[in-house]
Amino acid sequence: GAVVSQHPSWVICKSGTSVKIECRSLDFQATTMFWYRQFPKQSLMLMATSNEGSKATYEQGVEKDKFLINHASLTLSTLTVTSAHPEDSSFYICSVYGDRARREQYFGPGTRLTVT
Amino acid sequence: QQQVKQSPQSLIVQKGGISIINCAYENTAFDYFPWYQQFPGKGPALLIAIRPDVSEKKEGRFTISFNKSAKQFSLHIMDSQPGDSATYFCAATRTSGTYKYIFGTGTRLKVLA
Repeated sequence: GAVVSQHPSWVICKSGTSVKIECRSLDFQATTMFWYRQFPKQSLMLMATSNEGSKATYEQGVEKDKFLINHASLTLSTLTVTSAHPEDSSFYICSVYGDRARREQYFGPGTRLTVT
Repeated sequence: QQQVKQSPQSLIVQKGGISIINCAYENTAFDYFPWYQQFPGKGPALLIAIRPDVSEKKEGRFTISFNKSAKQFSLHIMDSQPGDSATYFCAATRTSGTYKYIFGTGTRLKVLA
C-alpha cells in the first residue's frame, strides 16, 4: 500500500488565523488525494478531492474559500484553513489511491486542529 | 441511495470471541467494499476489502462475508484480541465514474481481556 504522511500531527491556533496542513505521498505518485474531516466519535466526512495540477472538487456544503486546497505536485497536497474559528476544530485526514484500479485508499495519520 | 448503514454502533466481546459488524448498502452500482480499522488519534488503516464477484474473503483472523442479493456485507473478527479494540468503518464505492468512498457510521469495538 501507499505510505502517507501529514504535517503537523497537531496544531493549536488562535481564532481568525490561518493554518496549513501538508499531506505527502512518500512512496507513490498520487494524482488524486482526498481530504476528510472527522469529529469525535463520528465517521469520516469527505471535504474535497484534490487532483494534481487542477482545482480541487469540493463536496456540497464545504466552503472552498475557507478550506483552500493546493495539489501542486504528485507527492504533496496542502489544506489551508483560512480565518479559523473554534467550530473548525477537528481531525483532518488525507488519503491517496494506492491502487486506483482497485480503488484502495490509504490514509495519513491525521492532523488534530484546535482553534482557541 | 448513497447511504451505507453500519451496525452495531458499539460492541463488547470477550477475548477469544467472534466480533461481527454488519453493513448494508443501497446503490447496486457499488462494486468495491473495504473495511478500515482506526485507533484513537490515528488515521484509518485498510484492513480487508471485497468485490461482489466473491461471497467471502479471508485474511488471517479477518473475514468479509458478502451477500449481493441482500446488499449486505459483514466483517468477522475471529479469536478477537484486546489489541483489536478500535473503531471499524465499512465503506462502499464504484470502480467506475465517481471515486468517492461512502463510509458507514463506524462501530466501536472493545475486546475484554
